[in-house]
Amino acid sequence: QLQLHESGPGLVKPSETLSLICAVSGGSISSNTYYWGWVRQPPGKRLEWIGTTHYSGSTYYSPSLKSRVTISVDTSKNQFSLKLSSVTAADTSVYYCARHSGVGANHYFDYWGQGILVTVSS
Amino acid sequence: SYELTQPPSVSVSPGQTASITCSGDKLEYKYTSWYQQKPGQSPVLVIYQDKKRPSGIPERFSGSNSGNPATLTISGTQATDEADYYCQAWDSSTAVFGGGTRLTVL
Repeated sequence: QLQLHESGPGLVKPSETLSLICAVSGGSISSNTYYWGWVRQPPGKRLEWIGTTHYSGSTYYSPSLKSRVTISVDTSKNQFSLKLSSVTAADTSVYYCARHSGVGANHYFDYWGQGILVTVSS
Repeated sequence: SYELTQPPSVSVSPGQTASITCSGDKLEYKYTSWYQQKPGQSPVLVIYQDKKRPSGIPERFSGSNSGNPATLTISGTQATDEADYYCQAWDSSTAVFGGGTRLTVL
């Protein structure tokens, strides 16, 4: 059974960089079939897609976050990461990593991590 | 940017059918997925590719996208189905989520 697990600091200061890791177990991150994505959810608000990567290096980012986001894959550790720079209080959210299945126009997230709350505060 | 619109809330009596809609520009030409999220939990995929159910999702969950809006239908709604439901589509290499619908089982 595929499992994803987010880890990283739960508190980040304003203007600093948020860094999270998603460890994948029960499957290989180097699969040609799947992508790997990040989704966040501010408290009490909607889900917001951040971006998606493929082990080959292809990446897709939300236009609204593109200037501040980097998502990368570490195949040796079977994990992928998220970096979000210049954070503000508006970036306070639960951050989820997820497996992103995508073929043609059919894209969806079929496995999710448990989520990690990241608070931006001094 | 692309947007998906859902009603903020839907109420249903136990055993009845609940329908949750999701509308967007030319959505009928895209694939829609649906997620269930209960308080304090991660989202769970309940429908993908408009109408397919992942393994383990009860048959009472069904989806359609033959017109606009796309619809998630829950037949014989149970108290355990009370949750937030989000639709999602892929547009111009971006994933877009709807605003979510709170399903209340009265």
